[in-house]
Amino acid sequence: ETGVTQSPTHLIKTRGQQVTLRCSSQSGHNTVSWYQQALGQGPQFIFQYYREEENGRGNFPPRFSGLQFPNYSSELNVNALELDDSALYLCASSYFPLAGGVSTDTQYFGPGTRLTVL
Amino acid sequence: SQQGEEDPQALSIQEGENATMNCSYKTSINNLQWYRQNSGRGLVHLILIRSNEREKHSGRLRVTLDTSKKSSSLLITASRAADTASYFCATAPYMRFGAGTRLTVKP
Repeated sequence: ETGVTQSPTHLIKTRGQQVTLRCSSQSGHNTVSWYQQALGQGPQFIFQYYREEENGRGNFPPRFSGLQFPNYSSELNVNALELDDSALYLCASSYFPLAGGVSTDTQYFGPGTRLTVL
Repeated sequence: SQQGEEDPQALSIQEGENATMNCSYKTSINNLQWYRQNSGRGLVHLILIRSNEREKHSGRLRVTLDTSKKSSSLLITASRAADTASYFCATAPYMRFGAGTRLTVKP
């Protein structure tokens, strides 16, 4: 059983650029969540995808978007990068047996992507 | 916005001592989970306690939940240097995390 993987490990972008971060879920999991963690803070929930559709979103603007693919890998896209977007981005996968609602069970986190916006 | 708030923000103890961290939250929850994070990397799930449970054990970990006070505590017994990490509580649904407690265990 493979764990959650993320790529790249580190990334440096400039303000105004666009970025795509990737995540591969743990085998057997059908739900993926993305989090932003600023230095010294706890993770902030961005959104969650279940069966390729967004089924929950935190307080993040539309320039944060995502995709989940049939093989349960996923992407986080951020447009028009701002300096405050510099953070550790974490994805987490889980198994959610029911349609509707947000997965509330144990989440398995990847190692994260450190994004720096200059 | 953050839901869970951990207390204290930082805790320093000697190896072998017990460490207690507290978490308070504001709204109704389905469950509350504790995670550990080493050096700004991915989080590791420690334990989940459901809203109808009051206490749960896992190895050296003991978690309590008081829904009337909207609070939880995590006790790590007989701490080790390897327990040095940041500890977060997260409330479901929507997995809202607090800012964490930074635990340092001195050998």
